[in-house]
Amino acid sequence: QQQVKQSPQSLIVQKGGIPIINCAYENTAFDYFPWYQQFPGKGPALLIAIRPDVSEKKEGRFTISFNKSAKQFSLHIMDSQPGDSATYFCAASITFSGAGSYQLTFGKGTKLSVIP
Amino acid sequence: EPEVTQTPSHQVTQMGQEVILRCVPISNHLYFYWYRQILGQKVEFLVSFYNNEISEKSEIFDDQFSVERPDGSNFTLKIRSTKLEDSAMYFCASSPHQETQYFGPGTRLLVL
Repeated sequence: QQQVKQSPQSLIVQKGGIPIINCAYENTAFDYFPWYQQFPGKGPALLIAIRPDVSEKKEGRFTISFNKSAKQFSLHIMDSQPGDSATYFCAASITFSGAGSYQLTFGKGTKLSVIP
Repeated sequence: EPEVTQTPSHQVTQMGQEVILRCVPISNHLYFYWYRQILGQKVEFLVSFYNNEISEKSEIFDDQFSVERPDGSNFTLKIRSTKLEDSAMYFCASSPHQETQYFGPGTRLLVL
């Protein structure tokens, strides 16, 4: 029930395309859903995050769509560029527990390649 | 912009040896985490630390692991007797509140 399922495992798009990465969760206690971007040899870097009280959030070319009833959320990258080639991880956490731990549960990652 | 730093960047050790991985979280952050990522796999939670004590740990974090915040800046992960399966990238993360976690660049640990 703590799992976050992410798909696809890999994705190749042409420059300017709109890759979409999907995640699904089971635990309805999750209330914070970030996306992280990771380049080879680097740590994950926060890209954008959403809470379940909104259905969509945009930051620059990155958009999260959130469907609370379906327990799914997705990342869309508009006008994708070769520099967006990286591994993208969705994650989820419970932030209201007050237990002093807000561990992130990560999906398995999607390796995105944007071809010039 | 403040960053989480980790040392060393790479560590090679023999099976059974002790290793200490070091992290300097972002100043004024309150929550500290260790995660690991086995090559090609997802990032997995190991342990969280708040108010000078462990607040949660995963099943991976067994008696061979320990964490310390020996002073106001450092946060360490110790593996007492390393096993081959401990080979992974270890990430430290810190957070000022319940949400945003900032990750360090990681320490690549190789156990031979």
